[in-house]
Amino acid sequence: GAGVSQSPSNKVTEKGKDVELRCDPISGHTALYWYRQRLGQGLEFLIYFQGNSAPDKSGLPSDRFSAERTGESVSTLTIQRTQQEDSAVYLCASSLRPSDSEQFFGPGTRLTVL
Amino acid sequence: AQRVTQPEKLLSVFKGAPVELKCNYSYSGSPELFWYVQYSRQRLQLLLRHISRESIKGFTADLNKGETSFHLKKPFAQEEDSAMYYCALVTGGYNKLIFGAGTRLAVHP
Repeated sequence: GAGVSQSPSNKVTEKGKDVELRCDPISGHTALYWYRQRLGQGLEFLIYFQGNSAPDKSGLPSDRFSAERTGESVSTLTIQRTQQEDSAVYLCASSLRPSDSEQFFGPGTRLTVL
Repeated sequence: AQRVTQPEKLLSVFKGAPVELKCNYSYSGSPELFWYVQYSRQRLQLLLRHISRESIKGFTADLNKGETSFHLKKPFAQEEDSAMYYCALVTGGYNKLIFGAGTRLAVHP
């Protein structure tokens, strides 16, 4: 079956605008994760979903960042009033169960804030 | 604090040479460690995990709790091994991954 998909693949926006990033996990995967990768750095954890609840939002860098998930399916990460430091690749991953240690990653969305 | 350190940004070797990509971690609990790999124009994927003690594509990694290390090794590098390698630590009961900054491995002919 299809892997994790993300859209858009690239997004260029102006400082101050809002953006929405979408993630479609592998069908049947209950756990979903968002990570951010700034240039030259490793991936930073942002948020984790179990079903449609988010028990751990500890990685969200500010209240401009929010995410939701409908059922055990699509998730959207929203960044309000974007800043230049938000420029990064945003990666989504899913796993069959939270206890599964293998996460399957999407191709990422490259966000550039001008 | 939980942290993963990969001291080398770039490791450049010739085909057939041994490779060791270094990874050190900081974690007060019992660690579960992974190596993920990203080949050019492909998505990040799991290479190996320490609990399975397996060898994938000739790579092995041994957890050394005394030295808090999980170095990735391969005796004879191949050109197709050129990629970005990330060491990661799992924390929490739901596998939240803490990643190192990554090491780019370049294998030259």
